[in-house]
Amino acid sequence: EVQLVESGGGLVKPGGSLRLSCTASEFTVTDAWMSWVRQTPGKGLEWLGRIKSATKGGTTDYAAAVRGRFTISRDDSKNTLYLHMDSLNTEDTAMYYCTIDGSHYDTLTGYYYYYYMDVWGKGTTVTVSS
Amino acid sequence: QSALTQPASVSGSPGQSITISCTGTHNDVGAYDYVSWYQQHPGKVPKLIIFDVSVRPSGISTRFSGSKSGNTAYLTISGLQAEDEADYHCSSYSTSIALRVFGGGTRLTVL
Repeated sequence: EVQLVESGGGLVKPGGSLRLSCTASEFTVTDAWMSWVRQTPGKGLEWLGRIKSATKGGTTDYAAAVRGRFTISRDDSKNTLYLHMDSLNTEDTAMYYCTIDGSHYDTLTGYYYYYYMDVWGKGTTVTVSS
Repeated sequence: QSALTQPASVSGSPGQSITISCTGTHNDVGAYDYVSWYQQHPGKVPKLIIFDVSVRPSGISTRFSGSKSGNTAYLTISGLQAEDEADYHCSSYSTSIALRVFGGGTRLTVL
């Protein structure tokens, strides 16, 4: 069974940095498009960004709200996905999930649109507070 | 404030049907048939129950169905059961603030 396990969450002061990890089992992260999603009680679910599979260049895309502060990367040797977060503020307090993305193949354009979250990890909690 | 608009709560009695709406814009729900729905029980991880507007992943009950009209997507749950009590979140591919946007979630109460 494919499993994702996030780690690295905790308490961090405003302005600080944190790196979250997502380790996969029964699955190779380099072969997939993967995302980070967070959830806060007040704002619900929020997509943060994604990394494409290695065969598609392994490039990244981010939501406007975190672009420039958050960075997604991957260590293929450790089969692990990362989310590096800088300049954290209290609004970044949330549960953070990594996901494996699913796609729709558009027969007209020949493109795969990776847009939904097929498999979710159990999440790791980040609290930003002084 | 979420990009997609869902009712905060809906309720129904066992055996009844309910429908949850998810309203977006011409940049997301209205432009693409790339809508997904997630079920989340309290304290649990979200679970994919619908993608491509109306497709159920393997193992998801046929009591769950999805549809779309214009800028609004719908999730219908028929034959309500106590185990359906959960939060339901919609999501769509988007060309606005993010490649994917979510609704604020709808709490379903089975009376």
